Amino acid sequence: AQSVTQPDIHITVSEGASLELRCNYSYGATPYLFWYVQSPGQGLQLLLKYFSGDTLVQGIKGFEAEFKRSQSSFNLRKPSVHWSDAAEYFCAVGAQGGSEKLVFGKGTKLTVNP
Amino acid sequence: NAGVTQTPKFQVLKTGQSMTLQCAQDMNHEYMSWYRQDPGMGLRLIHYSVGAGITDQGEVPNGYNVSRSTTEDFPLRLLSAAPSQTSVYFCASSKQPGQGIAEAFFGQGTRLTVV
Repeated sequence: AQSVTQPDIHITVSEGASLELRCNYSYGATPYLFWYVQSPGQGLQLLLKYFSGDTLVQGIKGFEAEFKRSQSSFNLRKPSVHWSDAAEYFCAVGAQGGSEKLVFGKGTKLTVNP
Repeated sequence: NAGVTQTPKFQVLKTGQSMTLQCAQDMNHEYMSWYRQDPGMGLRLIHYSVGAGITDQGEVPNGYNVSRSTTEDFPLRLLSAAPSQTSVYFCASSKQPGQGIAEAFFGQGTRLTVV
């Protein structure tokens, strides 16, 4: 069965600092991987997605993620965090290219200090 | 574009009451799904549909029913509400995968409280 682990429940960074959010997945075949962001009281917005090709994926809002098959990881990074990045971030895995049965991690809440 | 529209945004129910959470999408997506979000649990799949007339269970289907009579609508029915169903419910839609990955688009959520 598919599973996603986000080891960090809550991360606090200073504005302007770099950010890395961790995601580890378990999936028998080649995974389809997603990062979503959720602002308070809002729905989920896609940051980026990966299936194949270049293992470094660029997304919106200056985010990127790197797929490492050997480590079963898909970590999200941003070189310089802005106060508006404070939100909850979810890593998800899908099967066979479709998104009808996504399996989500439990999320990482990001706090940004001024 | 409206995208995925969920109604209502907030609802309070008494234990044992029934209700339907509405979800509509205007993107002509084949796939639609319902998730619930609980603190510290992420999102968990309740039911999903890959087309009109086709539905299937997800990870946490008990206490919920769905049907899909049109491509646009995918209502979620709570048969007899219980306090354990207090949660935020999200509807999502996505294209059938073709060239590349089809990501899910989410509604704004329905916050349900069962007392």
